[in-house]
Amino acid sequence: GAVVSQHPSWVICKSGTSVKIECRSLDFQATTMFWYRQFPKQSLMLMATSNEGSKATYEQGVEKDKFLINHASLTLSTLTVTSAHPEDSSFYICSASVQGYEQYFGPGTRLTVT
Amino acid sequence: AQTVTQSQPEMSVQEAETVTLSCTYDTSESDYYLFWYKQPPSRQMILVIRQEAYKQQNATENRFSVNFQKAAKSFSLKISDSQLGDAAMYFCAYKSANSGYALNFGKGTSLLVTP
Repeated sequence: GAVVSQHPSWVICKSGTSVKIECRSLDFQATTMFWYRQFPKQSLMLMATSNEGSKATYEQGVEKDKFLINHASLTLSTLTVTSAHPEDSSFYICSASVQGYEQYFGPGTRLTVT
Repeated sequence: AQTVTQSQPEMSVQEAETVTLSCTYDTSESDYYLFWYKQPPSRQMILVIRQEAYKQQNATENRFSVNFQKAAKSFSLKISDSQLGDAAMYFCAYKSANSGYALNFGKGTSLLVTP
């Protein structure tokens, strides 16, 4: 149990376009979802925390107008990278939590902006 | 803000041997959780072991055990009988006991397992 999926697993987009990444909890209802960003050979950096039905809370330095997060249901959160640029290329990981205790991680999405 | 420090960027161990990965953290809270995650080349984060700060007994999961020293704010991971499949990045993480708080990760330790 406690499976989290992400789609797509890898996406290539052109500079200036937007791309949406989906994060789904498949067998449980997640009260909170988290979005992380990971550069090669580095640790995970929290971007934002989202609770179902409310606005996401962004970490300092993360542009909320660029990284749009929607948590419309207890099983789905989306991250939209708007007007993507090459520096947005990274590995994006979501996790889902029930009552804030243990987090279950998705397999990640590799974003390449050309 | 809580900080998590992993002072060993890389470690190496021979198959069947034991290795210990170190982690220290800084917090003013008394109630929190600590975790070790494994990230293999697939990049899927896998929970290895967790420890509740209020528990004095060190957590163990098969070949994995921790040495939790609350006063010293130290949380090391011991891997016994190392296997080739243990090769991965290992991240130590801290989480406040307050609901909804995210994990705070250390920079990670890359573990190489040699035959």
